[in-house]
Amino acid sequence: DVKVTQSSRYLVKRTGEKVFLECVQDMDHENMFWYRQDPGLGLRLIYFSYDVKMKEKGDIPEGYSVSREKKERFSLILESASTNQTSMYLCASSLGQDNQPQHFGDGTRLSIL
Amino acid sequence: AQTVTQSQPEMSVQEAETVTLSCTYDTSESNYYLFWYKQPPSRQMILVIRQEAYKQQNATENRFSVNFQKAAKSFSLKISDSQLGDTAMYFCAFTKTSYDKVIFGPGTSLSVIP
Repeated sequence: DVKVTQSSRYLVKRTGEKVFLECVQDMDHENMFWYRQDPGLGLRLIYFSYDVKMKEKGDIPEGYSVSREKKERFSLILESASTNQTSMYLCASSLGQDNQPQHFGDGTRLSIL
Repeated sequence: AQTVTQSQPEMSVQEAETVTLSCTYDTSESNYYLFWYKQPPSRQMILVIRQEAYKQQNATENRFSVNFQKAAKSFSLKISDSQLGDTAMYFCAFTKTSYDKVIFGPGTSLSVIP
């Protein structure tokens, strides 16, 4: 089975801090994604990557950046955390072929105080 | 721009009964892919079922089936013989190709009542 591992289930940080969320997948997937999940809004795409060192903006990239130095790892960075970035963050990966579903990690519940 | 709408924020069903979750989407594409994902409370999101738009036959996975109406841009999920373990958030999702972003609906919270 595909394993997508997010480094933390729960994280508490302070306003202005630089925050790193890590995601690792073990199935050699080309595509990786970062979403945030908020009640009533579903999942909103922050960034995605379809290859090493490649990245594409999603729907809500402001305040975030990403890094994909290795195929299996996709990091989400909050440059200067703000309270409106308190949310559940989900990482996902998929094969680079049509109709391939996304495999999700357990999520990181991030609170910015 | 593509959009996905789930008009039922919350639903409930008696155990062993059948329930249908609605999903509509908006696109000008002729070929695309549709998915239903399930997110149990405090657990990982997993794929329930998928449908390719060029296939007319409705997808089925055990107790889960879809009613795909391409002209109406509708993609509903039917759960038969509902079980307590079906209690979850259900998300409908759309993508053009694997290199495009996946667009998720807002979700439907389903509760299965014993």
